[in-house]
Amino acid sequence: QVQLVQSGAEVKKPGSSVKVSCKASGGTFSSSGISWVRHAPGQGLEWMGRIIPILGIADYAQKFQGRVTMNADKSTSTAYMALSSLRSEDTAVYYCARFEMARIVTWGQGTLVTVSS
Amino acid sequence: NFMLTQPHSVSESPGRTVTISCTRSSGRIASNYVQWYQQRPNSAPTTVIYEDNKRPSGVPDRFSGSIDRSSNSASLTISGLKTEDEADYYCQSFYNSTNWVFGGGTKLTVL
Repeated sequence: QVQLVQSGAEVKKPGSSVKVSCKASGGTFSSSGISWVRHAPGQGLEWMGRIIPILGIADYAQKFQGRVTMNADKSTSTAYMALSSLRSEDTAVYYCARFEMARIVTWGQGTLVTVSS
Repeated sequence: NFMLTQPHSVSESPGRTVTISCTRSSGRIASNYVQWYQQRPNSAPTTVIYEDNKRPSGVPDRFSGSIDRSSNSASLTISGLKTEDEADYYCQSFYNSTNWVFGGGTKLTVL
């Protein structure tokens, strides 16, 4: 069973950038996709975008266009999500999730990103 | 784009049955698969229903999903409620075949 292991918590200043990693443990991404979802305090789940690692194709939610970049390193089965121009509203737990067709097969454990001056 | 609207909260007693709705604002609910996720406090979400009504292995058959074309909505039904079912539940669907939409989430209280 492939698990997703995410990088550790981050504390960032407003205006800076953050990069979160998501590594497939016990296997590879194969033909799966990776979506990134965040959960801000007191809010619901929010989809940020997705990448198909085998194709290197990414789609981003309109809200994050221009601020988010998703890529993947097939050789290490690691996906990355970078978010720039951080503001306090970006404080959230960020999750990666491996999906096949419509189904999320595995969720990462989450990475807390705190944006504070 | 469209929105998925869920009730903010529902509550029911142990052993009873509860249904959580998810109404699509525009376009047909049957046009794109609906998934349901359970999220307990301070935990990552887990998938309880995918492709409208399919259960991943390990999810008890107390959980079921359906769609209703007449109300343009999807539903998650949990029967034989247990205290461990207390969590937030989110529906999710797709637009433009690639983009995802989440409902606002429903807090289920089992009391």
